[in-house]
Amino acid sequence: DAGVIQSPRHEVTEMGQEVTLRCKPISGHNSLFWYRQTMMRGLELLIYFNNNVPIDDSGMPEDRFSAKMPNASFSTLKIQPSEPRDSAVYFCASSLEEGGIGYTFGSGTRLTVV
Amino acid sequence: KNEVEQSPQNLTAQEGEFITINCSYSVGISALHWLQQHPGGGIVSLFMLSSGKKKHGRLIATINIQEKHSSLHITASHPRDSAVYICAVSKGGGSNYKLTFGKGTLLTVNP
Repeated sequence: DAGVIQSPRHEVTEMGQEVTLRCKPISGHNSLFWYRQTMMRGLELLIYFNNNVPIDDSGMPEDRFSAKMPNASFSTLKIQPSEPRDSAVYFCASSLEEGGIGYTFGSGTRLTVV
Repeated sequence: KNEVEQSPQNLTAQEGEFITINCSYSVGISALHWLQQHPGGGIVSLFMLSSGKKKHGRLIATINIQEKHSSLHITASHPRDSAVYICAVSKGGGSNYKLTFGKGTLLTVNP
């Protein structure tokens, strides 16, 4: 398995533009998580899905952020409009419910909003 | 107060030394995770444990549920072990729940 695949690896965009981050979880994993990492706040959960259904989106900063999981093999995190304070590394992770299997993280998307 | 506290924040060791990183938490948990992140790199899950001890190569993780404390040990440390080690807890069922993270411990192993 190729692991959790995120794209793009790096994204530089201008303030006000729409940004879409993509994630392909490990096949068979039924939970998907979006995390954000900044120097100031460390790692924080934004939203997580179980069986494609959003379970907890309390970490989504504001209405500018939205996430979807249209099927078991794909999720997107969209920021519209983007702001410089959104600059961070965004990680996607997936896990399997049964068997005590831990998390697998993607390589992350480094977002810079100028 | 953070729900997950790690110590030390920074740790410098000489190659070959035995290393211990500590993690304390203040909430009921279903599992504790140790993660490794190399500078500018992705995050690798090292261990997930809910009791006792786990070993993988030179890494050992222990947890004491009563004391709400976990340790990550590295034996015969090597410069390639230099990374940030992050403790995280999950409060829901199994691994299928959000993680709450510690601030991380930056480990530098000098040759």
